[in-house]
Parts: sequence; structure tokens; C-alpha cells
Amino acid sequence: DARVTQTPRHKVTEMGQEVTMRCQPILGHNTVFWYRQTMMQGLELLAYFRNRAPLDDSGMPKDRFSAEMPDATLATLKIQPSEPRDSAVYFCASGLGIGSYNEQFFGPGTRLTVL
Amino acid sequence: AQSVSQHNHHVILSEAASLELGCNYSYGGTVNLFWYVQYPGQHLQLLLKYFSGDPLVKGIKGFEAEFIKSKFSFNLRKPSVQWSDTAEYFCAVLASGGSYIPTFGRGTSLIVHP
Repeated sequence: DARVTQTPRHKVTEMGQEVTMRCQPILGHNTVFWYRQTMMQGLELLAYFRNRAPLDDSGMPKDRFSAEMPDATLATLKIQPSEPRDSAVYFCASGLGIGSYNEQFFGPGTRLTVL
Repeated sequence: AQSVSQHNHHVILSEAASLELGCNYSYGGTVNLFWYVQYPGQHLQLLLKYFSGDPLVKGIKGFEAEFIKSKFSFNLRKPSVQWSDTAEYFCAVLASGGSYIPTFGRGTSLIVHP
């Protein structure tokens, strides 16, 4: 049963610290998405990769957030420095992105708390 | 750019009641449509999707949705809800031939009382 995995599942850190979240997409999927979910804003798209290339990161605060795909099996989302307003659940999702097989498969999320 | 509107933000039902959650989108071209469910403390999972063909789509757990192109709608229905259906429901739209970035609605929180 192929799944998207994310680590860590929970992270508590202090303001100003660097936070790195990791995602392993489903093998063979060529699209990867990073979302942030909060009560106030709902589900927000932060970044989108296709074949490891970043195609859209307009939803991401550029000054402190960065997203990369060093290889096809790993996507990272980094926050440096972190702020309390970054507290949220961060979801990674992957997909095939073609034809009728274009639904997204979500990971379990990383619940980030910045104190 | 497309947008998705879910009119019901919070819905509270008793078990065995019928459910209909509204979803409207704004995009004039061909679309793929999705409903995702997020159970408390869990990640989003696909309930059903419409790609083409029969506009009445059946998904898992007794859910179905009907694509009405003239109304730009993709409402989710279930004839008899259960306590275990308590969750957040998200409608999403993907414009065919576009960027493959789906647009999600704000979600509808469903609480089913036993």
C-alpha cells in the first residue's frame, strides 16, 4: 500500500530556530505539493514541483521559506527563521499529474508549533 | 484562475439524516472535480472524483456527487450519514490542460450526532 510519508509528525520549536520538514512522495509520482493548513486560512498551497522542478511557489513567504527536491524520493520544506505565525499543519501530497490519474495523495502531515 | 466555493462552513446532522454539501466553481473550461475528506487528526483522502463521462459519480463509503455543468456545481450527497462521517470535507477543482494545480475550497465541517 503505497503512501506519502512525512517526518517529523510533530515539531515544537522556539521562535528563530530553523525547521526542516521532509516528505517522501509515492514512488513514480512526478508531482509534489506542499500545503499549510490552519484554522484561519484553511488549506493553502505553498509550493508545487513537477518532475522535481519548482513550478509554483507563489504561496510561500520567500524570505523565510524554501522548498527543494534534491531527488525524486525526497522533498523538503525549510523555515528559517521560524515565527509563531508559522504554527500549522504542513501537508505534502504527490500525484501522477496526468489524465484521469491526477488526484493527490496526502501525507499524514507535520504539526508544527513555534513558541 | 479558477475558484471554488463551499457554501456550508459547518453542518450538524443526526445519524440517518441525508447530507448534501454544496460546491460551486468558477471556470469556463473543462474541469476535473474532486471531493476529499479529512477525519479528525488525519490527512486528506480522496472520496471521489469526476474526470469525464457519467456526471453522477459514486465514491467510497456511500458518498456520491453530481456534476452539473450548467450550474458549475459538484455537490456531495449521502442518503444516510453515520457518526463516523464526522469530518472536514473539501471540494477541489482542476482545470484540464492547465498547471495541474488544483484549487481547494475552504472546507465544510460536518458533525454527526449519534
